[in-house]
Amino acid sequence: KAGVTQTPRYLIKTRGQQVTLSCSPISGHRSVSWYQQTPGQGLQFLFEYFSETQRNKGNFPGRFSGRQFSNSRSEMNVSTLELGDSALYLCASSLVLQGWETEAFFGQGTRLTVV
Amino acid sequence: GNSVTQMEGPVTLSEEAFLTINCTYTATGYPSLFWYVQYPGEGLQLLLKATKADDKGSNKGFEATYRKETTSFHLEKGSVQVSDSAVYFCALVPRGATNKLIFGTGTLLAVQP
Repeated sequence: KAGVTQTPRYLIKTRGQQVTLSCSPISGHRSVSWYQQTPGQGLQFLFEYFSETQRNKGNFPGRFSGRQFSNSRSEMNVSTLELGDSALYLCASSLVLQGWETEAFFGQGTRLTVV
Repeated sequence: GNSVTQMEGPVTLSEEAFLTINCTYTATGYPSLFWYVQYPGEGLQLLLKATKADDKGSNKGFEATYRKETTSFHLEKGSVQVSDSAVYFCALVPRGATNKLIFGTGTLLAVQP
């Protein structure tokens, strides 16, 4: 069974640009979450999508957005990039068992560097 | 609010030593608890989980018990190997919050031969 696939693995962007990251969940998983990992802030929750609807949102500015397609694939977009957006962005897909009994499977991440 | 506190690293051990990584949590209600491991250059892998009080999660020789009285979920392994060197994250999902993991800061484990 294929795991969570994130593309691209590495990205270098310039301040002010925008970027789109992609995540293909494990087949059958309908919940997709995104996390930002930085040395200073650790792992922080960005947002979660389930059946094409955003169900949860973390404390990030509106420059960070996402969406989910009918096949459960998800994209996240960051507009007007800042140096502080440099991070490892992780996607996780879940088979939600009983509402909260989540078992999240992570992709390898996309390493974004903003210069 | 909901939060996870992990012991500071790095933790440096010799091969075959006993490992404990402390994790305590603050949450409303009874969250689900998890340990994830991250190897260099990789994403996170679920190591073990527990969804209710007194549950013991175990995998690959690692164990952790959900202690409601002490709000703890300490990770233990009886005999570590060099291949266990990684960063370990304790995490919780608040009851009713669906798929929203709240992570601790992570603990770097370095096992020396």
